Amino acid sequence: GESVGLHLPTLSVQEGDNSIINCAYSNSASDYFIWYKQESGKGPQFIIDIRSNMDKRQGQRVTVLLNKTVKHLSLQIAATQPGDSAVYFCAENEGAGSYQLTFGKGTKLSVIP
Amino acid sequence: ETGVTQSPTHLIKTRGQQVTLRCSSQSGHNTVSWYQQALGQGPQFIFQYYREEENGRGNFPPRFSGLQFPNYSSELNVNALELDDSALYLCASSSARGVEQYFGPGTRLTVT
Repeated sequence: GESVGLHLPTLSVQEGDNSIINCAYSNSASDYFIWYKQESGKGPQFIIDIRSNMDKRQGQRVTVLLNKTVKHLSLQIAATQPGDSAVYFCAENEGAGSYQLTFGKGTKLSVIP
Repeated sequence: ETGVTQSPTHLIKTRGQQVTLRCSSQSGHNTVSWYQQALGQGPQFIFQYYREEENGRGNFPPRFSGLQFPNYSSELNVNALELDDSALYLCASSSARGVEQYFGPGTRLTVT
């Protein structure tokens, strides 16, 4: 079935550098996407979202880019800090009355001090 | 403003038993969704409750059932537990069936 997936399962980044986490989705009906951060032993924490009528959205130190042509989503974290170390999930919703989120497997981000 | 809370934090059950997990939604939220997260995987949608009724269900058997109460808190019940039910069970709340969902810390269920 259609699902959300990730290109890289692990990512190591030097503290202060920028991080880019990628996500591919296959459901062309999806119209809403969310990035979550999950630290060990905790529930997923909302980071940023984007609707399909946008291609870029910025938050505090984070930017989400959406390329509907190639069904690709990315999360950019500026000036990565040790506290950013976690597993990052992208999730999609297909709208049209569906309220469930479909998650990918996640990418583990490790920040090297 | 209180966030989403879940109880218990950890639980150990034997195969064939039944379990009830509880969730209190974030203040102002009237919709609760439940997810199952196996180790090393992303959360999988079980079902959602809005106005005390099930409002969407994922690919889970009927032995997974739920309730939502007038105060918007919710329960997840699992009957006839199987070893593969061992997972982190997450509750997420949102407002008016919105998709922006906020998660609780989860309940770690181990079935032996």
